[in-house]
Amino acid sequence: DTAVSQTPKYLVTQMGNDKSIKCEQNLGHDTMYWYKQDSKKFLKIMFSYNNKELIINETVPNRFSPKSPDKAHLNLHINSLELGDSAVYFCASSQDLADRNNEQFFGPGTRLTVL
Amino acid sequence: KQEVTQIPAALSVPEGENLVLNCSFTDSAIYNLQWFRQDPGKGLTSLLLIQSSQREQTSGRLNASLDKSSGRSTLYIAASQPGDSATYLCAVTNGNKLVFGAGTILRVKS
Repeated sequence: DTAVSQTPKYLVTQMGNDKSIKCEQNLGHDTMYWYKQDSKKFLKIMFSYNNKELIINETVPNRFSPKSPDKAHLNLHINSLELGDSAVYFCASSQDLADRNNEQFFGPGTRLTVL
Repeated sequence: KQEVTQIPAALSVPEGENLVLNCSFTDSAIYNLQWFRQDPGKGLTSLLLIQSSQREQTSGRLNASLDKSSGRSTLYIAASQPGDSATYLCAVTNGNKLVFGAGTILRVKS
């Protein structure tokens, strides 16, 4: 009964490959997010979706493409992986848009290592 | 552009001490401020959410204050325990996103 779940937990792959990370929330929330935590542990927003509509795209390279098949899922597809993409990726959700004073709930993270 | 700073970067205290973690932000036009806890290799756990109209929130041994006009928040942990050891992150909601500080790594020694 995990609120926000991500798969896989760990992902090790070669440069140039394409990979996807899946995120699902069972909280009935309308808004979902992807964050990247780099090697210095700094967390930064990448994307947010509200009811399957893109709200924020924080100057992320277009090799990253989020896909929201329904409001409970926000998957992250990454093309042509680069060494610098190695990081921990966190999915999160909130009841409504972030500016509506909603608490955000985070998934456990996916540690991506690009070799 | 909103910037969030947390001081200190790391803190080591003996068990039982009361302690204060500091967070400051450059743009006071925030909707709310959230304190999170992150354990090594784990996700983020939300500790407290303070709305922009509020001055403080309490949960158990934790108390968070917010002074929006001066761009500051503090997280007070009473009677610290070894289980409190973790990284504590402060984040503010600006526009439609959370902007995070770099965190304070807390170690409580038994």
